[in-house]
Amino acid sequence: EAGVTQSPTHLIKTRGQQATLRCSPISGHTSVYWYQQALGLGLQFLLWYDEGEERNRGNFPPRFSGRQFPNYSSELNVNALELEDSALYLCASSRTGTHNEQFFGPGTRLTVL
Amino acid sequence: AQSVSQHNHHVILSEAASLELGCNYSYGGTVNLFWYVQYPGQHLQLLLKYFSGDPLVKGIKGFEAEFIKSKFSFNLRKPSVQWSDTAEYFCAVTSFAGTYKYIFGTGTRLKVLA
Repeated sequence: EAGVTQSPTHLIKTRGQQATLRCSPISGHTSVYWYQQALGLGLQFLLWYDEGEERNRGNFPPRFSGRQFPNYSSELNVNALELEDSALYLCASSRTGTHNEQFFGPGTRLTVL
Repeated sequence: AQSVSQHNHHVILSEAASLELGCNYSYGGTVNLFWYVQYPGQHLQLLLKYFSGDPLVKGIKGFEAEFIKSKFSFNLRKPSVQWSDTAEYFCAVTSFAGTYKYIFGTGTRLKVLA
């Protein structure tokens, strides 16, 4: 069974640009979650998609957005990049129902210069 | 606001020492509790989980955790650590308050000395 995949592995942008990160869930999983892992801050919940709908979002500004496609893959968009957006962005997937175990991808390392 | 606290940010132990990592959460309703582990160079993976029933939960690799509702705690334990347990450990809580939230603690870095 293929795991959660994310692309790209690394992304370097400059302040003010936009970044797009992609995630493919495990087959059969309909929920996708996005987290930001900044140094010393643990995992901060960003967004949760299930069955194509945004179900919940964390305490992040609106320039963090995303969507889920009919095949349940997802993308995270970060507009107007700021230096503090530099972090590891993790995607996880699970079967419907957030009490289920989440399976994590390897992450995308975003560096904003 | 709901939160998860892991008070030990860095722990260093010698092999065969006993381990206990603290996790406290703030939410009075029904919760589901998880411990995840991230070994060096690997993805986050589930160590163990508690939904209901026996508050003492056993996970992979000899780890266990005890849910103490009165203390809002879900501490992780292992009687005898190995060098291969060197990793970062995250406690996580899901709760329902209008919609589901999945909250992680800030993590504890464990280093086991051979």
